[in-house]
Amino acid sequence: GIQVEQSPPDLILQEGANSTLRCNFSDSVNNLQWFHQNPWGQLINLFYIPSGTKQNGRLSATTVATERYSLLYISSSQTTDSGVYFCAVAYNQGGKLIFGQGTELSVKP
Amino acid sequence: GAVVSQHPSRVICKSGTSVKIECRSLDFQATTMFWYRQFPKQSLMLMATSNEGSKATYEQGVEKDKFLINHASLTLSTLTVTSAHPEDSSFYICSAREPGGPSYEQYFGPGTRLTVT
Repeated sequence: GIQVEQSPPDLILQEGANSTLRCNFSDSVNNLQWFHQNPWGQLINLFYIPSGTKQNGRLSATTVATERYSLLYISSSQTTDSGVYFCAVAYNQGGKLIFGQGTELSVKP
Repeated sequence: GAVVSQHPSRVICKSGTSVKIECRSLDFQATTMFWYRQFPKQSLMLMATSNEGSKATYEQGVEKDKFLINHASLTLSTLTVTSAHPEDSSFYICSAREPGGPSYEQYFGPGTRLTVT
């Protein structure tokens, strides 16, 4: 099956710093989503981005489908950005999402 | 945006009892819903795909007799953990996808934390 790898596994930042999270996947996909899991476990949809570039406030994402990777950029990080960021992909019409192992981000004041 | 709810948010039960978790799509109809399981400090693992009006499709290694899934309507799927044991304690999350259109985006419920004593 398809493999999804995220890096780095952990990241500690000072408030105001920028960061880049990476997601590599091993096969062609028709869905790629980035999520932020908050401390209560809720998955917040950040981006639906099987290809191309999108921006939403301080966050942006780029997926290069031909090279099988996606990047999530967080600029001017805030303490509320702390949590786990997941990348997930689906590769067939069934739509099953396969999750990476996540990046745990901690933003210090 | 699409909203998915789950009930209950937290449940504690005794070993040997059964627990039912509900997943509802609140503002759209979902012919397909998905059930995931997450252990502490780990990623989400897909358990099964729930299809309205037909049997669920289970992932390899998931016991279908233990985790009963019923997709009774276009807005409701239920997961019943039968004869629960402490090792079934976990965070269970459902998701749903709006049918039709070009997007395969999925929306997740807030999760149900199950503790079996």
